[in-house]
Amino acid sequence: DADVTQTPRNRITKTGKRIMLECSQTKGHDRMYWYRQDPGLGLRLIYYSFDVKDINKGEISDGYSVSRQAQAKFSLSLESAIPNQTALYFCATSASTGIRVSDTQYFGPGTRLTVL
Amino acid sequence: TQLLEQSPQFLSIQEGENLTVYCNSSSVFSSLQWYRQEPGEGPVLLVTVVTGGEVKKLKRLTFQFGDARKDSSLHITAAQPGDTGLYLCAGLGGTSYGKLTFGQGTILTVHP
Repeated sequence: DADVTQTPRNRITKTGKRIMLECSQTKGHDRMYWYRQDPGLGLRLIYYSFDVKDINKGEISDGYSVSRQAQAKFSLSLESAIPNQTALYFCATSASTGIRVSDTQYFGPGTRLTVL
Repeated sequence: TQLLEQSPQFLSIQEGENLTVYCNSSSVFSSLQWYRQEPGEGPVLLVTVVTGGEVKKLKRLTFQFGDARKDSSLHITAAQPGDTGLYLCAGLGGTSYGKLTFGQGTILTVHP
């Protein structure tokens, strides 16, 4: 079984619709992240959470919101989807490591979202 | 905002050739990671380099972290079709504590 799962894997929706993407992890990690991937732009951070009570904006948070329902669950919402939010979305997790500087992030399989 | 410039964006080569992918920044990073991503999957960590000047080898892949911890390179010797994929560099630390900054990625295609 995968350690980081994302649902749905594919979604086609229309402009103006509210969409929720969900992420669950069984790794026991405290940190979770949402990224979007666009061709030629790599992965860009949308939101991140270092524990259940901590939510932080990333570099491209406008138009998105998140909820950390439990340590293992982190959901991403598009309140009113628009076509330029068409992208591949990835959830990732990592464990806090104190003074270590080599955190490994573990990624889910991604959700391909198309907004028409 | 920290930026990582990765080059080239596309690389198409024949089996057996060597190649190098570069990752450059004007910012200093605490560490730098290289990920590989295959279609339909999320990125998977290949290596983390932490010390300036550090060189790590993973079979035919050689990773180097620049002395000033601002740049890194990935060299593949005798590329094989199984090396085909998207390679991403990512920097950790500096002004973005606890967060990764990704380069744009290099799409590598190795033809048999």
